[in-house]
Amino acid sequence: KAGVTQTPRYLIKTRGQQVTLSCSPISGHRSVSWYQQTPGQGLQFLFEYFSETQRNKGNFPGRFSGRQFSNSRSEMNVSTLELGDSALYLCASSLGKQGSTEAFFGQGTRLTVV
Amino acid sequence: AQSVAQPEDQVNVAEGNPLTVKCTYSVSGNPYLFWYVQYPNRGLQFLLKYITGDNLVKGSYGFEAEFNKSQTSFHLKKPSALVSDSALYFCAVIPLGGGYQKVTFGTGTKLQVIP
Repeated sequence: KAGVTQTPRYLIKTRGQQVTLSCSPISGHRSVSWYQQTPGQGLQFLFEYFSETQRNKGNFPGRFSGRQFSNSRSEMNVSTLELGDSALYLCASSLGKQGSTEAFFGQGTRLTVV
Repeated sequence: AQSVAQPEDQVNVAEGNPLTVKCTYSVSGNPYLFWYVQYPNRGLQFLLKYITGDNLVKGSYGFEAEFNKSQTSFHLKKPSALVSDSALYFCAVIPLGGGYQKVTFGTGTKLQVIP
């Protein structure tokens, strides 16, 4: 069974640019959650998509957006990049049902904004 | 609102000694509790979880955790630390009946095992 795949693994962007990150969940999983991890703020929840709909959203500005496709693959987009957006972005794949407690994480995308 | 506290930013332990990484939680009702480990520039790896039943949960790599309802704690333990256990450890909680979309993570504890 293939794991959660995040691409790319590493990215370097300049301020003001935009970036798109991709997450392919485990087959059969319909929920994809995104997290931002920084040394100062720890793991912060960005949003969760389930069956192509954003179901939960964290406290991030509108520059952070996402979507989910019919095959459950999800993309996260950050526009007008700022230096503070430099972080490890993780996605987690799960069934997304009530009572479902298993989730699997991808290896993350390391974004560096210069 | 639910929350998870990991009171120690870093724990240092000598190789071969027992280790404990602390976690306390606040949630309405009975929780689902988890421990994850993260190695540098990697995603989170599942270690163990408590859903119901025996308060002592055994997980991967020789780790175990004890659910203590009265103290609302779920401390991670290992009888004998290895240098390779050095990593970042996260505690997480999901409210009873909730799915993973309702998870809350602690801030993480860096474990340093000294040879």
